[in-house]
Amino acid sequence: DIQMTQSPSTLSASVGDRVTITCRASQSISSWLAWYQQKPGKAPKLLIYKASSLQSGVPSRFSGSGSGTEFTLTISSLQPDDFATYYCQQYNSYSWTFGQGTKVEI
Amino acid sequence: EVQLVESGGGLVQPGGSLRLSCAASGFPFSGYWMHWVRQAPGKGLVWVSRINSDGSSTTYADSVKGRFTISRDSAKDTLYLQMNSLRAEDTAVYYCAREDGALGAFDIWGQGTMVAVSS
Repeated sequence: DIQMTQSPSTLSASVGDRVTITCRASQSISSWLAWYQQKPGKAPKLLIYKASSLQSGVPSRFSGSGSGTEFTLTISSLQPDDFATYYCQQYNSYSWTFGQGTKVEI
Repeated sequence: EVQLVESGGGLVQPGGSLRLSCAASGFPFSGYWMHWVRQAPGKGLVWVSRINSDGSSTTYADSVKGRFTISRDSAKDTLYLQMNSLRAEDTAVYYCAREDGALGAFDIWGQGTMVAVSS
């Protein structure tokens, strides 16, 4: 099974900061990588699909990059609504795996 | 409005069974693969199971294989997860999610239903 490793596990930041979260796959997954945002008590929300495509309705301050085994999620200017936990997720050969999550806190 | 609504969660004893339902509305249910994802209290997201659009193909995480069964009823636009031989480690919020094949990602999620396995 493909393992997904996110770093850091926790990130302390301030409003206006540029934030980068990294996700590494244990083997190549091409660009089959998605990013989700989850707030406490709520369902996850899709932000980025196919590594770098912005989901409809998601603010443009969110961006994704990478392919193969290394991927990043960048928030260009952190807003109060962005404090949440972020998960990467891969799809490969009828296998789906999430990273362990990155909590972005004040 | 595109929506998924889970139900059927609750408290069950170890070794017991439970069936979760996920009612879909606002989109052509039979055209999408569907998934179950769970989240133990204070923990991360874990993929559980997937079913293709016509129900002919299913996949399971190793942790639930042989105990859980995913199914769907297109006449009722409903996804199911039959959970047998439940263990304490199955305690979690269970989400159903729609996979958009064009995106390769889960674009619609339900609100989740809590399953607690305890004596």
